[in-house]
Amino acid sequence: GAVVSQHPSWVICKSGTSVKIECRSLDFQATTMFWYRQFPKQSLMLMATSNEGSKATYEQGVEKDKFLINHASLTLSTLTVTSAHPEDSSFYICSARVSRDNSPLHFGNGTRLTVT
Amino acid sequence: AQRVTQPEKLLSVFKGAPVELKCNYSYSGSPELFWYVQYSRQRLQLLLRHISRESIKGFTADLNKGETSFHLKKPFAQEEDSAMYYCALPRGYTNAGKSTFGDGTTLTVKP
Repeated sequence: GAVVSQHPSWVICKSGTSVKIECRSLDFQATTMFWYRQFPKQSLMLMATSNEGSKATYEQGVEKDKFLINHASLTLSTLTVTSAHPEDSSFYICSARVSRDNSPLHFGNGTRLTVT
Repeated sequence: AQRVTQPEKLLSVFKGAPVELKCNYSYSGSPELFWYVQYSRQRLQLLLRHISRESIKGFTADLNKGETSFHLKKPFAQEEDSAMYYCALPRGYTNAGKSTFGDGTTLTVKP
């Protein structure tokens, strides 16, 4: 089955530094990937849609200069949290579909970011 | 606007009891709905989709267009069913595969 790998699983960084999270589709090509935040016991909040070879599409209220997304290849999207602050601490998840239609999403295992 | 509502944040049942996790949606087109599950310390994964009309791990879900619902049911809950469940509605071809998720229901099955 389709596998999405996310790295790192957890990261601790100091306030003001930047952190990069990788999302890879291991056995399929993903022209589109999605990035979410998940708060404890709450739903997924879609942050942005990562498009291979073009700019990401951000959801309303998400700062694109804060959360930089790069989708340089058909199997890799990265999310960089720039100048991180404690309020950015969260669980970040990526997902991708095997095809463009309404096929199921395949999720990464998530990244726990803690900003001290 | 497209919306998915899961009215129960928490649901607790005893092992062997029936369980129903509610999901209601609002969508102007022909919906295609999914249930995703997140077990403790595991990634989100697909549980079932309505077009498959299959039973996964004893769970079934029927799309009721009249009531705009897609409730997830299992006749006899097991402890290993304890997890967080999300109902999701893809936004369709025009939105590059985005999905609208409900707020999730945490199911606890007590021994």
